[in-house]
Amino acid sequence: SQQGEEDPQALSIQEGENATMNCSYKTSINNLQWYRQNSGRGLVHLILIRSNEREKHSGRLRVTLDTSKKSSSLLITASRAADTASYFCATDQYGNNRLAFGKGNQVVVIP
Amino acid sequence: DGGITQSPKYLFRKEGQNVTLSCEQNLNHDAMYWYRQDPGQGLRLIYYSQIVNDFQKGDIAEGYSVSREKKESFPLTVTSAQKNPTAFYLCASSTSGMAGYEQYFGPGTRLTVT
Repeated sequence: SQQGEEDPQALSIQEGENATMNCSYKTSINNLQWYRQNSGRGLVHLILIRSNEREKHSGRLRVTLDTSKKSSSLLITASRAADTASYFCATDQYGNNRLAFGKGNQVVVIP
Repeated sequence: DGGITQSPKYLFRKEGQNVTLSCEQNLNHDAMYWYRQDPGQGLRLIYYSQIVNDFQKGDIAEGYSVSREKKESFPLTVTSAQKNPTAFYLCASSTSGMAGYEQYFGPGTRLTVT
């Protein structure tokens, strides 16, 4: 069964605005990962945050993790048209690298 | 140029035929994975392999089979027993099958069965 569950809404924003997506999960995890998928392509790893970390940055990406609420958020700052994609969170299961993916959150950045 | 490749990109088959999807990686990764993606359902794990000559069922293994005879190859066979095989299939690999490693994905194969 899948643990990662993003808020199901699709986002449509103007270029330059920030985009925020949320993900919740049900059981304890070792780490949580975020991936991006452009239409019809494979997934690309964005960032991994471990259960003992609260916040992590990578370029224009900021990920937070709240293990008490079993939730994570991905913030993309100063969005660009090239950020248009689906974004997935994934949690590890059973202490191995068997990942459970959420359903994805589609983001459209309008130039 | 390191990476993970899947072929073909598009595959069409008649109902009742088995079909094998190719996945090759030259990243020297120990672990490899097969996922199925349907619209609006995210990725679901079919099979995974943490090491050569060993593999485990994922959440939706029924109607699928795999082999891992070489470190760099993890082919997936979609058998006629799979009731709804039309989907987008993604292969991935990671350095290790232990927790905490990112997965690298191939470009996917879109299978259509009619």
